[in-house]
Amino acid sequence: GAVVSQHPSRVICKSGTSVKIECRSLDFQATTMFWYRQFPKKSLMLMATSNEGSKATYEQGVEKDKFLINHASLTLSTLTVTSAHPEDSSFYICSASGRLSGANVLTFGAGSRLTVL
Amino acid sequence: QQQVKQSPQSLIVQKGGISIINCAYENTAFDYFPWYQQFPGKGPALLIAIRPDVSEKKEGRFTISFNKSAKQFSLHIMDSQPGDSATYFCAASSSSASKIIFGSGTRLSIRP
Repeated sequence: GAVVSQHPSRVICKSGTSVKIECRSLDFQATTMFWYRQFPKKSLMLMATSNEGSKATYEQGVEKDKFLINHASLTLSTLTVTSAHPEDSSFYICSASGRLSGANVLTFGAGSRLTVL
Repeated sequence: QQQVKQSPQSLIVQKGGISIINCAYENTAFDYFPWYQQFPGKGPALLIAIRPDVSEKKEGRFTISFNKSAKQFSLHIMDSQPGDSATYFCAASSSSASKIIFGSGTRLSIRP
């Protein structure tokens, strides 16, 4: 079945630094990738949608200069949290969909726990 | 109109019992209704999904019941086991849109 690998699973950084999270589709071409943020005991909040080779579409209220998303290939998307602050601490999850499965059939990564000190 | 309302927020069921989680939607353009299971510290995993051309789909102990006229769908977990303890999210999307709308989640605990 479709597998999405997300790395790192946990990261701790100092305030003001930038952190990059990678999301890879291992056995399929991900035409669309999605990035979510999840607060404890809450649902997934869609941050942005990215299609390979084009700029990401950000949801209302998400700072695109703060959360840089790159989808340079059909198997890799990255989320960079720039100048991270403690309020950026959260669980970030990516998901991907491919041509064969259809746009709305998603495979999720295992998530990345970001802690900003 | 984009919302998917999920209930209950939390649910405790005895081992061997039936767990039932309900969801309702408003957008009639939705044509794909998946359920996701999420364990603590992990990403959601697709459990089972249904399209509106059928009223029920069963996979093992998991069944989705779908009521198109009422715009409601539910997840039934038969013979619930402690390993089923997780958070469950319903979701909905349309083929014409790339977004999936998630419900608020249900924390299910199965008592041994």
